[in-house]
Amino acid sequence: GAGVSQSPSNKVTEKGKDVELRCDPISGHTALYWYRQSLGQGLEFLIYFQGNSAPDKSGLPSDRFSAERTGGSVSTLTIQRTQQEDSAVYLCASSLQVWGDNEQFFGPGTRLTVL
Amino acid sequence: GENVEQHPSTLSVQEGDSAVIKCTYSDSASNYFPWYKQELGKRPQLIIDIRSNVGEKKDQRIAVTLNKTAKHFSLHITETQPEDSAVYFCAAESKAGTALIFGKGTTLSVSS
Repeated sequence: GAGVSQSPSNKVTEKGKDVELRCDPISGHTALYWYRQSLGQGLEFLIYFQGNSAPDKSGLPSDRFSAERTGGSVSTLTIQRTQQEDSAVYLCASSLQVWGDNEQFFGPGTRLTVL
Repeated sequence: GENVEQHPSTLSVQEGDSAVIKCTYSDSASNYFPWYKQELGKRPQLIIDIRSNVGEKKDQRIAVTLNKTAKHFSLHITETQPEDSAVYFCAAESKAGTALIFGKGTTLSVSS
Protein backbone atom coordinates (compact mmCIF):
# COMPACT_ATOMS: atom_id res chain seq x y z
CA GLY A 1 0.00 0.00 0.00
CA ALA A 2 0.90 3.66 -0.05
CA GLY A 3 3.50 4.91 2.38
CA VAL A 4 3.60 8.15 4.32
CA SER A 5 3.33 11.14 2.02
CA GLN A 6 4.19 14.77 2.65
CA SER A 7 3.58 17.99 0.79
CA PRO A 8 5.04 20.15 -0.45
CA SER A 9 8.38 18.46 -1.09
CA ASN A 10 10.10 21.84 -1.10
CA LYS A 11 9.03 25.17 0.32
CA VAL A 12 10.89 28.47 0.03
CA THR A 13 9.50 31.33 2.04
CA GLU A 14 10.49 34.74 3.26
CA LYS A 15 11.34 35.46 6.85
CA GLY A 16 8.22 36.41 8.78
CA LYS A 17 5.77 34.47 6.63
CA ASP A 18 3.67 31.56 7.89
CA VAL A 19 3.98 28.08 6.34
CA GLU A 20 1.89 24.92 6.49
CA LEU A 21 3.34 21.46 5.96
CA ARG A 22 1.10 18.47 5.36
CA CYS A 23 1.46 14.81 6.26
CA ASP A 24 -0.68 11.86 5.15
CA PRO A 25 0.12 8.84 7.33
CA ILE A 26 -0.24 5.20 6.37
CA SER A 27 -3.88 4.19 6.52
CA GLY A 28 -4.69 2.54 9.84
CA HIS A 29 -1.69 3.97 11.68
CA THR A 30 -2.91 5.62 14.85
CA ALA A 31 0.34 7.33 15.85
CA LEU A 32 1.82 10.24 13.92
CA TYR A 33 5.10 12.05 14.62
CA TRP A 34 6.80 15.18 13.36
CA TYR A 35 10.59 15.52 13.37
CA ARG A 36 12.98 18.20 12.19
CA GLN A 37 16.30 17.38 10.55
CA SER A 38 18.75 20.24 10.21
CA LEU A 39 21.80 19.90 7.98
CA GLY A 40 24.25 17.45 9.49
CA GLN A 41 22.07 16.94 12.53
CA GLY A 42 19.98 14.10 13.85
CA LEU A 43 16.23 13.83 13.94
CA GLU A 44 14.75 16.27 16.44
CA PHE A 45 11.39 15.20 17.85
CA LEU A 46 8.73 17.90 17.62
CA ILE A 47 5.28 16.49 18.38
CA TYR A 48 3.28 13.28 18.26
CA PHE A 49 -0.39 12.35 18.03
CA GLN A 50 -2.11 9.17 19.13
CA GLY A 51 -5.73 8.73 18.12
CA ASN A 52 -7.93 11.30 19.79
CA SER A 53 -5.64 11.87 22.77
CA ALA A 54 -4.07 15.23 23.47
CA PRO A 55 -0.83 15.52 21.50
CA ASP A 56 2.60 15.47 23.13
CA LYS A 57 3.97 18.90 22.25
CA SER A 58 7.07 18.64 24.39
CA GLY A 59 9.46 18.89 21.46
CA LEU A 60 8.11 22.04 19.84
CA PRO A 61 10.93 24.62 19.90
CA SER A 62 8.73 27.69 20.33
CA ASP A 63 5.13 28.85 20.36
CA ARG A 64 5.48 29.71 16.67
CA PHE A 65 5.15 26.00 15.98
CA SER A 66 1.82 24.19 16.15
CA ALA A 67 0.27 21.09 14.66
CA GLU A 68 -3.14 19.62 14.13
CA ARG A 69 -4.39 16.21 13.19
CA THR A 70 -7.87 16.14 11.77
CA GLY A 71 -10.02 13.04 11.97
CA GLY A 72 -7.15 10.99 13.27
CA SER A 73 -5.49 10.99 9.86
CA VAL A 74 -3.95 13.93 8.02
CA SER A 75 -1.73 16.28 10.01
CA THR A 76 -0.62 19.85 9.38
CA LEU A 77 2.44 21.44 10.95
CA THR A 78 2.24 25.23 11.00
CA ILE A 79 5.16 27.55 11.55
CA GLN A 80 4.24 31.17 12.13
CA ARG A 81 6.52 34.14 11.51
CA THR A 82 9.25 31.91 10.10
CA GLN A 83 12.87 32.57 10.97
CA GLN A 84 16.01 31.57 9.08
CA GLU A 85 16.85 29.03 11.79
CA ASP A 86 13.62 27.21 10.92
CA SER A 87 15.24 26.09 7.65
CA ALA A 88 15.44 22.30 7.77
CA VAL A 89 13.83 19.14 6.46
CA TYR A 90 10.60 18.38 8.30
CA LEU A 91 9.87 14.66 8.46
CA CYS A 92 6.61 13.02 9.36
CA ALA A 93 6.34 9.40 10.51
CA SER A 94 3.51 7.09 11.46
CA SER A 95 3.24 3.82 13.33
CA LEU A 96 0.55 1.40 14.30
CA GLN A 97 0.66 2.31 17.98
CA VAL A 98 2.02 5.01 20.18
CA TRP A 99 4.40 2.75 22.08
CA GLY A 100 7.98 3.39 21.01
CA ASP A 101 8.59 -0.20 20.11
CA ASN A 102 6.57 -0.02 16.95
CA GLU A 103 8.38 0.71 13.72
CA GLN A 104 8.00 4.27 12.55
CA PHE A 105 7.58 4.71 8.81
CA PHE A 106 8.89 8.02 7.57
CA GLY A 107 7.65 10.24 4.79
CA PRO A 108 9.98 11.81 2.22
CA GLY A 109 10.08 15.09 4.13
CA THR A 110 9.49 18.74 3.28
CA ARG A 111 12.60 20.84 2.75
CA LEU A 112 11.88 24.29 4.15
CA THR A 113 14.11 27.21 3.24
CA VAL A 114 13.54 30.55 4.93
CA LEU A 115 15.22 33.43 3.13
CA GLY B 1 15.01 14.68 29.18
CA GLU B 2 16.34 11.65 27.36
CA ASN B 3 19.65 12.15 25.59
CA VAL B 4 21.29 9.87 23.04
CA GLU B 5 24.96 10.22 22.16
CA GLN B 6 26.28 8.56 18.99
CA HIS B 7 29.88 7.96 17.89
CA PRO B 8 31.66 8.28 15.57
CA SER B 9 30.09 11.02 13.49
CA THR B 10 31.88 9.74 10.38
CA LEU B 11 33.31 6.32 9.59
CA SER B 12 35.23 5.24 6.50
CA VAL B 13 35.99 1.58 5.83
CA GLN B 14 37.17 -0.59 2.98
CA GLU B 15 34.72 -2.98 1.37
CA GLY B 16 34.68 -6.22 3.30
CA ASP B 17 35.74 -4.68 6.59
CA SER B 18 33.49 -4.43 9.64
CA ALA B 19 31.93 -1.22 10.93
CA VAL B 20 30.84 -0.48 14.48
CA ILE B 21 28.72 2.44 15.63
CA LYS B 22 28.16 3.08 19.31
CA CYS B 23 25.41 4.88 21.22
CA THR B 24 24.73 5.71 24.83
CA TYR B 25 21.44 6.81 26.33
CA SER B 26 20.53 8.55 29.55
CA ASP B 27 17.12 7.19 30.60
CA SER B 28 17.44 3.84 32.32
CA ALA B 29 13.70 3.26 31.76
CA SER B 30 14.14 3.08 27.97
CA ASN B 31 13.33 -0.38 26.65
CA TYR B 32 13.40 -0.07 22.89
CA PHE B 33 16.37 0.80 20.68
CA PRO B 34 15.96 0.94 16.90
CA TRP B 35 18.53 1.74 14.23
CA TYR B 36 17.60 3.64 11.09
CA LYS B 37 19.49 3.94 7.81
CA GLN B 38 19.12 7.05 5.69
CA GLU B 39 20.57 6.97 2.19
CA LEU B 40 21.38 10.26 0.52
CA GLY B 41 18.19 12.14 -0.34
CA LYS B 42 15.95 9.42 1.01
CA ARG B 43 13.86 8.90 4.10
CA PRO B 44 15.11 7.02 7.19
CA GLN B 45 14.24 3.33 7.25
CA LEU B 46 14.38 0.86 10.11
CA ILE B 47 17.11 -1.75 9.67
CA ILE B 48 17.13 -3.47 13.04
CA ASP B 49 15.87 -2.96 16.57
CA ILE B 50 16.40 -4.47 19.97
CA ARG B 51 14.34 -4.60 23.12
CA SER B 52 15.73 -4.58 26.62
CA ASN B 53 14.92 -8.22 27.31
CA VAL B 54 17.72 -9.39 25.00
CA GLY B 55 21.38 -8.55 24.81
CA GLU B 56 22.01 -9.19 21.12
CA LYS B 57 20.10 -9.52 17.89
CA LYS B 58 21.39 -10.44 14.46
CA ASP B 59 20.00 -10.14 10.97
CA GLN B 60 22.36 -11.37 8.25
CA ARG B 61 25.32 -8.95 8.17
CA ILE B 62 23.86 -6.63 10.79
CA ALA B 63 23.86 -7.13 14.55
CA VAL B 64 23.00 -4.98 17.52
CA THR B 65 24.18 -5.43 21.09
CA LEU B 66 22.72 -3.87 24.20
CA ASN B 67 24.23 -3.37 27.63
CA LYS B 68 21.47 -2.02 29.88
CA THR B 69 23.73 -1.67 32.88
CA ALA B 70 26.07 0.63 30.99
CA LYS B 71 23.19 2.18 28.98
CA HIS B 72 25.08 1.44 25.83
CA PHE B 73 24.14 -0.18 22.51
CA SER B 74 26.03 -0.76 19.29
CA LEU B 75 25.45 -1.55 15.64
CA HIS B 76 27.81 -3.98 13.94
CA ILE B 77 27.96 -4.38 10.17
CA THR B 78 30.17 -7.17 8.85
CA GLU B 79 31.48 -7.66 5.31
CA THR B 80 30.57 -4.11 4.40
CA GLN B 81 29.52 -3.31 0.85
CA PRO B 82 29.38 0.03 -1.01
CA GLU B 83 25.59 0.00 -0.74
CA ASP B 84 25.97 0.15 3.05
CA SER B 85 27.15 3.74 2.61
CA ALA B 86 24.56 5.95 4.31
CA VAL B 87 23.84 7.85 7.51
CA TYR B 88 22.92 5.58 10.40
CA PHE B 89 20.88 6.81 13.36
CA CYS B 90 20.44 5.11 16.68
CA ALA B 91 17.44 5.92 18.84
CA ALA B 92 15.97 5.22 22.25
CA GLU B 93 12.38 5.56 23.30
CA SER B 94 11.57 8.65 25.29
CA LYS B 95 10.66 8.60 28.97
CA ALA B 96 7.00 8.44 28.12
CA GLY B 97 7.63 5.40 25.93
CA THR B 98 6.28 7.20 22.91
CA ALA B 99 8.49 9.22 20.63
CA LEU B 100 12.04 8.25 19.77
CA ILE B 101 15.06 10.31 20.72
CA PHE B 102 17.65 10.04 17.96
CA GLY B 103 21.41 10.32 17.99
CA LYS B 104 23.04 12.80 15.63
CA GLY B 105 23.92 10.12 13.11
CA THR B 106 27.01 8.42 11.71
CA THR B 107 27.97 8.87 8.08
CA LEU B 108 29.37 5.55 6.91
CA SER B 109 31.41 5.46 3.71
CA VAL B 110 32.39 2.10 2.25
CA SER B 111 34.98 2.29 -0.49
CA SER B 112 35.58 -0.50 -2.98
